[in-house]
This record gives sequence, C-alpha cells and structure tokens, in this order.
Amino acid sequence: AQTVTQSQPEMSVQEAETVTLSCTYDTSESDYYLFWYKQPPSRQMILVIRQEAYKQQNATENRFSVNFQKAAKSFSLKISDSQLGDAAMYFCAYRINTGNQFYFGTGTSLTVIP
Amino acid sequence: DGGITQSPKYLFRKEGQNVTLSCEQNLNHDAMYWYRQDPGQGLRLIYYSQIVNDFQKGDIAEGYSVSREKKESFPLTVTSAQKNPTAFYLCASSGRDPGPYEQYFGPGTRLTVT
Repeated sequence: AQTVTQSQPEMSVQEAETVTLSCTYDTSESDYYLFWYKQPPSRQMILVIRQEAYKQQNATENRFSVNFQKAAKSFSLKISDSQLGDAAMYFCAYRINTGNQFYFGTGTSLTVIP
Repeated sequence: DGGITQSPKYLFRKEGQNVTLSCEQNLNHDAMYWYRQDPGQGLRLIYYSQIVNDFQKGDIAEGYSVSREKKESFPLTVTSAQKNPTAFYLCASSGRDPGPYEQYFGPGTRLTVT
C-alpha cells in the first residue's frame, strides 16, 4: 500500500525561528517524486518544494529546504526565518514515476507566533 | 495566465438533488483529479483521469460521477447517492509544463447540502 504519514498534526514556531515538519512514506517503487504543499486559510493549495527521488541533493527554495533520506523513506521540510505568512496547513505528497496518482499525508497545521 | 478554475466557489443544494462542480484548466495537462477535503483531514481522491474519455475511481468514488469529454474540462457530479456530500472539493491537474509532474490546484468549491 502506498501511504504517507505526517506524525505532527499541529506545530508552532516563533516568528524568525526555524521549524521542521516531518513526513514518512511507504512505497516499493524506486523512482518517484516528493512534494510539500501549503494550504493557507484561503484553502488554495500551493506547491512549496519538489524533490526527485533519484537526486541525492536536497532541494531548497529560498527559506524552505528538505531533508530527504531515501533509505529511511523520510522527507522532512525545514522552514527557516519563519514568517507570519507561513502559517498554514502543510501536506506531504508523493507520486511514482510510472503513474499519475498522488498520495497525500493528513497534514500538519503550522502556527507562527509573533 | 495559465491555471485551473473551479466554479462556483460556494454551492448550496437541497438533499436529494444532483449537483455538478465545474473544473477547467488551460495548462494543457493530460491528467486531472478530484479530491474531497473534510475539516481536519487530508485530501481524499474521488476520481482521476489520465487522458480524454478515460477515468479511474479513487478511494471514495461512491456517490460521485465524472466525465472527460475535453482535455480542458473534468466536471464532477455529486449524486443523491452520496451520503454525506457537504465538503470542500478540490480539482487538480498534472503534466509536464510549467513544472514537471507536480499537481496544480484550483481554488476549490465549498458544497453545502441541507
């Protein structure tokens, strides 16, 4: 079964501090893509960052970076210098290369404290 | 601008009525998806379509139907057989452009059935 687990339903971080959201997944495939999506109160889903499983280098996008551990099937998201606008629900997801179906975790609600 | 549109943003229906949610994309994506999101939960896949005139059931297809007559359009009908239709519905598409392989989401439709 293809599953994604986000073990932290809620997290909070002080403004300007760093927070890490965890995600583990289960797949028998070796070629896949991993994603973090953000869903702010507007409920518009926005792609934060993408990681190709064949790449060893961790992806980064400005203040957002991932720690991808393929053997452990772990894909955590680090947000540096947290801003009030980062407050949202964050979803981890993956897609295998040979298919079109995406698998989502249940989300982590991030609160940013001013 | 390329993107995905869903209409309407809010929809109200009486119990026992079928209702159709619209989803249109101009990203030239082959794959399209419908998800349901309930409070505090992640995204659950209702249906997805990889090409025109073809679609597959997701995890919670019962009580829903779709069609894919055009590449740009993937409407979802919530039938009276759906026991608990009140929810937030998200449409998404996926393709090689502009960014490879990730999903792009519409703004969602909030359906309330009373």
